[in-house]
Amino acid sequence: KAGVTQTPRYLIKTRGQQVTLSCSPISGHRSVSWYQQTPGQGLQFLFEYFSETQRNKGNFPGRFSGRQFSNSRSEMNVSTLELGDSALYLCASSLSTTNTEAFFGQGTRLTVV
Amino acid sequence: AQTVTQSQPEMSVQEAETVTLSCTYDTSENNYYLFWYKQPPSRQMILVIRQEAYKQQNATENRFSVNFQKAAKSFSLKISDSQLGDTAMYFCAFMKIQGAQKLVFGQGTRLTINP
Repeated sequence: KAGVTQTPRYLIKTRGQQVTLSCSPISGHRSVSWYQQTPGQGLQFLFEYFSETQRNKGNFPGRFSGRQFSNSRSEMNVSTLELGDSALYLCASSLSTTNTEAFFGQGTRLTVV
Repeated sequence: AQTVTQSQPEMSVQEAETVTLSCTYDTSENNYYLFWYKQPPSRQMILVIRQEAYKQQNATENRFSVNFQKAAKSFSLKISDSQLGDTAMYFCAFMKIQGAQKLVFGQGTRLTINP
């Protein structure tokens, strides 16, 4: 069974640009969550999607958005990139919103220059 | 809001030794889940062990066990017979039972197992 797949693995963008990151959950998993990991702030929850609906959102500006498709694949978008958006973005999937075992992908390393 | 604190930024032990990582948390919830995740250099977060707050018995998974003290809001991880492959960042995390799949993480402890 394939794990959680995040693409791309590495990304370099320029300030002011926008970026889209993709996450394919484990087959059969319907809940997808996103986290931002930085040396200064640690791991912070961005948002969670279940059945194409955003169920919860962390304390991030509106430049951060996401969506989920009918096949449970999820994308997150960051517009008007800032240097501080440089981070490892991790996606996690679980069977449902009540299932506590979350499986993480290897992340996308975003560098904003 | 929930907070999770790991007071040991780094730890280092010799192979085969036992090591304990500390974690404290703050919450007004009565029922919740606590986790320890491992993040090796590959960056992939791996679930090590999970504890339900309503269970008094401490969780164990092979060489990994926890000491869960609900009243003290303490959740430490003990690794017995440590192995080189245990070298990683370890994160303590909290999740409410009700609501979204939202993990609140501590700042992490970098554990190095020396040969």
